[in-house]
Amino acid sequence: KAGVTQTPRYLIKTRGQQVTLSCSPISGHRSVSWYQQTPGQGLQFLFEYFSETQRNKGNFPGRFSGRQFSNSRSEMNVSTLELGDSALYLCASSFWDNRPDTQYFGPGTRLTVL
Amino acid sequence: DAKTTQPTSMDCAEGRAANLPCNHSTISGNEYVYWYRQIHSQGPQYIIHGLKNNETNEMASLIITEDRKSSTLILPHATLRDTAVYYCIVRVLLSSGSARQLTFGSGTQLTVLP
Repeated sequence: KAGVTQTPRYLIKTRGQQVTLSCSPISGHRSVSWYQQTPGQGLQFLFEYFSETQRNKGNFPGRFSGRQFSNSRSEMNVSTLELGDSALYLCASSFWDNRPDTQYFGPGTRLTVL
Repeated sequence: DAKTTQPTSMDCAEGRAANLPCNHSTISGNEYVYWYRQIHSQGPQYIIHGLKNNETNEMASLIITEDRKSSTLILPHATLRDTAVYYCIVRVLLSSGSARQLTFGSGTQLTVLP
């Protein structure tokens, strides 16, 4: 079974631009979570989507947003990029209603903001 | 989620068993122990999870003490490709809302030596 896929794998942007990252979950998984990983802050939760609705949100500014489509694929958007947004952005998928519900991660998108 | 404590780093000889400890002395009865690993600049990889019984899969074994205050992840025959940061996480059984997000600590850097 194919794993979580993320596109693009690498991205270089300049300050002030916006960026959209894409995540395709494992087949059958309906929940998608997004995380940001930086050397200084470690892995931090951004938000989680299930059934096209944001179910949980981390402590990030409104410049970070996301959405989920009816096929469970998800996108996240960062507007007005700042240098500090340079990070590895990770997507994780899970069934949602399993007990416990194991999350599986994709390879990540490496975003560099210049 | 309960806090976990792991050693910062460990070395292991190739072909030998790697035993990675985790202390979770404040774990509650409805919390699972999860292990993930992250090879440099890749997405975290799910390894194994357990509640109170020892668990084994194709990747590793998980030994949880009877009082559940600590656990050990065992990689039976470590290879160079097992060099990674290993994260021990505890999560509530009935994951909903903010409890669904994974909180990664600093983990243990395991280096497998040739």
